[in-house]
Amino acid sequence: KAGVTQTPRYLIKTRGQQVTLSCSPISGHRSVSWYQQTPGQGLQFLFEYFSETQRNKGNFPGRFSGRQFSNSRSEMNVSTLELGDSALYLCASSPGGTGKETQYFGPGTRLLVL
Amino acid sequence: DAKTTQPTSMDCAEGRAANLPCNHSTISGNEYVYWYRQIHSQGPQYIIHGLKNNETNEMASLIITEDRKSSTLILPHATLRDTAVYYCIVRPRDNNNDMRFGAGTRLTVKP
Repeated sequence: KAGVTQTPRYLIKTRGQQVTLSCSPISGHRSVSWYQQTPGQGLQFLFEYFSETQRNKGNFPGRFSGRQFSNSRSEMNVSTLELGDSALYLCASSPGGTGKETQYFGPGTRLLVL
Repeated sequence: DAKTTQPTSMDCAEGRAANLPCNHSTISGNEYVYWYRQIHSQGPQYIIHGLKNNETNEMASLIITEDRKSSTLILPHATLRDTAVYYCIVRPRDNNNDMRFGAGTRLTVKP
């Protein structure tokens, strides 16, 4: 079974621009979560989607948004990019909606904001 | 803040068992112990998890002490490809988004 895939793998943007990242979960997985990882802050939870609905949200500003499609694929958007948004953005999927299952991470998208 | 304490780094000879310790003295009864590893800034890779019993899968074994305040991840025959940062995480049973990664242990497998 194929793992979680994320595109693109690397991105360079400038301040003020916006960016959209894509995540395809493991086949059959319906829950997709997004995380930001930086050396200083570690892994921080952004939000979780299940059945096209945002079910959980972390403590990030409204510039960070996401959505999920009927095939469980998810996209994350960051508007008005800031230098501090430079990070590894990780997507993780799990089978269903109980919150109890193991999450499996994708390879990540490394975003550099100049 | 992470709820776990791990050594900053460890070395292991190729082919030998790697034993990675983790302290989680404040773990509560409804929290799992999870282990992930991260190789060279790729996404974290799931290894194993447990609640109170010892667990084994094709990658590793997890030994949890009876009081659940510490655990050990065992890679039975370490290879060079096992060189990575290993994260021990305490996670609530019903909230798989509440994963607080600490600094982890940087394991270096040497030939």
